[in-house]
Amino acid sequence: QKEVEQNSGPLSVPEGAIASLNCTYSDRVSQSFFWYRQYSGKSPELIMSIYSNGDKEDGRFTAQLNKASQYVSLLIRDSQPSDSATYLCAVNGKKGGADGLTFGKGTHLIIQP
Amino acid sequence: ETGVTQTPRHLVMGMTNKKSLKCEQHLGHNAMYWYKQSAKKPLELMFVYNFKEQTENNSVPSRFSPECPNSSHLFLHLHTLQPEDSALYLCASSQDPNTEAFFGQGTRLTVV
Repeated sequence: QKEVEQNSGPLSVPEGAIASLNCTYSDRVSQSFFWYRQYSGKSPELIMSIYSNGDKEDGRFTAQLNKASQYVSLLIRDSQPSDSATYLCAVNGKKGGADGLTFGKGTHLIIQP
Repeated sequence: ETGVTQTPRHLVMGMTNKKSLKCEQHLGHNAMYWYKQSAKKPLELMFVYNFKEQTENNSVPSRFSPECPNSSHLFLHLHTLQPEDSALYLCASSQDPNTEAFFGQGTRLTVV
């Protein structure tokens, strides 16, 4: 049974600072890693995907993957109030497998103006 | 239309009713999914279809019955549900089960 662990928060960060969100996963053979943002009452929205060890940057977002430590993180630079949401870490899957994404419970992020 | 579209957006049904949720994707993807999201619980994967074939059924009760007539459409047939089945039901699609998934707006289901 795959597990994805996240600190549920809330994580409170002042506007303009860096928000750091963390995620660990249990299945060593996992190959694909994703970060989703979910606003209250809305569906999850993909913001980053990462498949290889190291950092991947997209605008204000940086995803970091360390497969040896089974750890994925998301950094949000220059945090804005509109970044306040729940951030979901998702992990998939065995190579060639067909088992869909496993999600963590999410971290509730609050950006304080 | 673009993306993943779900209907209805809201549904209230009695425990003896039969209803269906519909999902349509316009992304040319080969895999489609049903997820359940309840308060204070992580998203739960219910069913996976890849190239119209069901590949995962995560011990979902038989009162939930999926149908995938083609790679663009996915249904979830509901019958004799329980109040604890009230949740947000999300459809998603992806190119294959190991790539990023895109979600529809969800159906907020209330069982009374």
